[in-house]
Amino acid sequence: DAGITQSPRHKVTETGTPVTLRCHQTENHRYMYWYRQDPGHGLRLIHYSYGVKDTDKGEVSDGYSVSRSKTEDFLLTLESATSSQTSVYFCAIKAGTNEKLFFGSGTQLSVL
Amino acid sequence: AQSVSQHNHHVILSEAASLELGCNYSYGGTVNLFWYVQYPGQHLQLLLKYFSGDPLVKGIKGFEAEFIKSKFSFNLRKPSVQWSDTAEYFCAVNVRAAGNKLTFGGGTRVLVKP
Repeated sequence: DAGITQSPRHKVTETGTPVTLRCHQTENHRYMYWYRQDPGHGLRLIHYSYGVKDTDKGEVSDGYSVSRSKTEDFLLTLESATSSQTSVYFCAIKAGTNEKLFFGSGTQLSVL
Repeated sequence: AQSVSQHNHHVILSEAASLELGCNYSYGGTVNLFWYVQYPGQHLQLLLKYFSGDPLVKGIKGFEAEFIKSKFSFNLRKPSVQWSDTAEYFCAVNVRAAGNKLTFGGGTRVLVKP
């Protein structure tokens, strides 16, 4: 699993509340990604990071922010959760130079 | 921006049948191509990838895929499926000129009946 840990694994929250998901890696990889997985849409990139304090938007970044203050942690924040953000969120890291992504186990988020 | 299309959303077949899943992408430049698999309750794992060279690539568990540049396709095949191949399969494309972002198709759910 390339040393990736996502927390929490499951979360239920209410509309309008802030939520932060954490992705932690133990192998000092430079590139980290947040995807959301929804039926029929596959995985869509929310944000990614190419180093400490270096982040960029993906295709579905609205309503999300990220921070990377340390190499090992990449945080995804929903400032004010909406029901449309109910999804499974996957963190991924790019290991080495072969473009291969390793995924975390996912976070199931339900916004009621 | 590049896009990835997977033609079948659901496929149901019996054990020992042959499987082919279609994948087309929209970018005309140099690409890296991937197939990922997600078994029930698990995270995504890489099945195989294509960067350059022989357009027929072999992956784990008897899967293979063929890159046809003229058709912008990267179809996944397995000659004889097993019940354990029940999973969701995702095609993905990384455009080399567009940095390190991987674009995924919508996925194909495959159910193999014993």
